[in-house]
Amino acid sequence: GIQVEQSPPDLILQEGANSTLRCNFSDSVNNLQWFHQNPWGQLINLFYIPSGTKQNGRLSATTVATERYSLLYISSSQTTDSGVYFCAVEMTTDSWGKLQFGAGTQVVVTP
Amino acid sequence: GEEVAQTPKHLVRGEGQKAKLYCAPIKGHSYVFWYQQVLKNEFKFLISFQNENVFDETGMPKERFSAKCLPNSPCSLEIQATKLEDSAVYFCASNEGRRTANEQFFGPGTRLTVL
Repeated sequence: GIQVEQSPPDLILQEGANSTLRCNFSDSVNNLQWFHQNPWGQLINLFYIPSGTKQNGRLSATTVATERYSLLYISSSQTTDSGVYFCAVEMTTDSWGKLQFGAGTQVVVTP
Repeated sequence: GEEVAQTPKHLVRGEGQKAKLYCAPIKGHSYVFWYQQVLKNEFKFLISFQNENVFDETGMPKERFSAKCLPNSPCSLEIQATKLEDSAVYFCASNEGRRTANEQFFGPGTRLTVL
């Protein structure tokens, strides 16, 4: 079955809106990272967050490892936030360092 | 260096030709990982190295793909006799190799187009 599941698959936001993206995973993890893939294809590291809560500007993330999910919050969205957001997980049952990616959430922020 | 470097940015090959991609990990990082992104959203793990040793190659297609990380040289991923389905973006990543700090840092990718 699917081991890393992201929702929603697509999100259209008006500039200034807030949103929450979710990542569910099927097993305990050594590592969880959130990435933003911009329209030019670059993968930008957003958070390294196997557990706990972190904030970076308008973005924040929370991972509840015991309940096997992570959330990415985007506040006051801007057009530059458009792109695909990926959650990637290193399961404890996998070889060390091997990341499994979710299918991503495609975000479009309109002016 | 401070960033993972990948060359070339773009590579175009005719079906059946060889393709070779390069990756220089961040200085001091002992693990290197290769991933393939097809259909824009689907990532597949290919292979990992601990220094110059293969660590996990379970994702590598057996027949046409090979990879190396030699001392004092960029790591490489080589595809012999490319097929249309090899068209993808290939990302390299590296990390320090410490269990308490295993964040992976990704390069900009190499876009391979097989015609």
